Amino acid sequence: GENVEQHPSTLSVQEGDSAVIKCTYSDSASNYFPWYKQELGKGPQLIIDIRSNVGEKKDQRIAVTLNKTAKHFSLHITETQPEDSAVYFCAASIDDYKLSFGAGTTVTVRA
Amino acid sequence: SAVISQKPSRDICQRGTSLTIQCQVDSQVTMMFWYRQQPGQSLTLIATANQGSEATYESGFVIDKFPISRPNLTFSTLTVSNMSPEDSSIYLCSVDQGGWAQETQYFGPGTRLLVL
Repeated sequence: GENVEQHPSTLSVQEGDSAVIKCTYSDSASNYFPWYKQELGKGPQLIIDIRSNVGEKKDQRIAVTLNKTAKHFSLHITETQPEDSAVYFCAASIDDYKLSFGAGTTVTVRA
Repeated sequence: SAVISQKPSRDICQRGTSLTIQCQVDSQVTMMFWYRQQPGQSLTLIATANQGSEATYESGFVIDKFPISRPNLTFSTLTVSNMSPEDSSIYLCSVDQGGWAQETQYFGPGTRLLVL
């Protein structure tokens, strides 16, 4: 099955700086790559996703890039704010619904 | 996006007992999913539940331990049977929404289970 690796496991950034989380996947047939943010005591919230026919997608301070050749995709958060502190999960899917998740990245934004 | 609720939000149970978790969606959806998130860990898919058919379980999960019902297009239940402390986890339901090749998966708030 699909194997998704996520790095780093923890990330501490100064408020206003950028944060980058990277994921690699094993199955070249994967075509859908969502990112979720999970705050303490809550369920995962979809923050951005990208499909294999697109190389980059941006939504305000959040962007995702996809390199199909290298089988990796990344989440970029610019101008980080304290409310960006959370656990972030990447995921990959072949068929749009069966998601394989990375191990998660705990992001801490220092004020 | 779909609004998903789960009951109970949390529970403390004794080993050997069973707990049924409910998942309610505010719109009709074809596919619903149940995930387990062990403490400090990532999400693992337990099973896929489609209305009108038996749930499809992932490797390592069996129907006797995690029976699932899907009586209609807005509701599903997951039962954690004969619980042990190893079943202490967050249980999450999710749904798929969107058109063909544009499906997006949304999660409920989770049920936090502690087994003593």
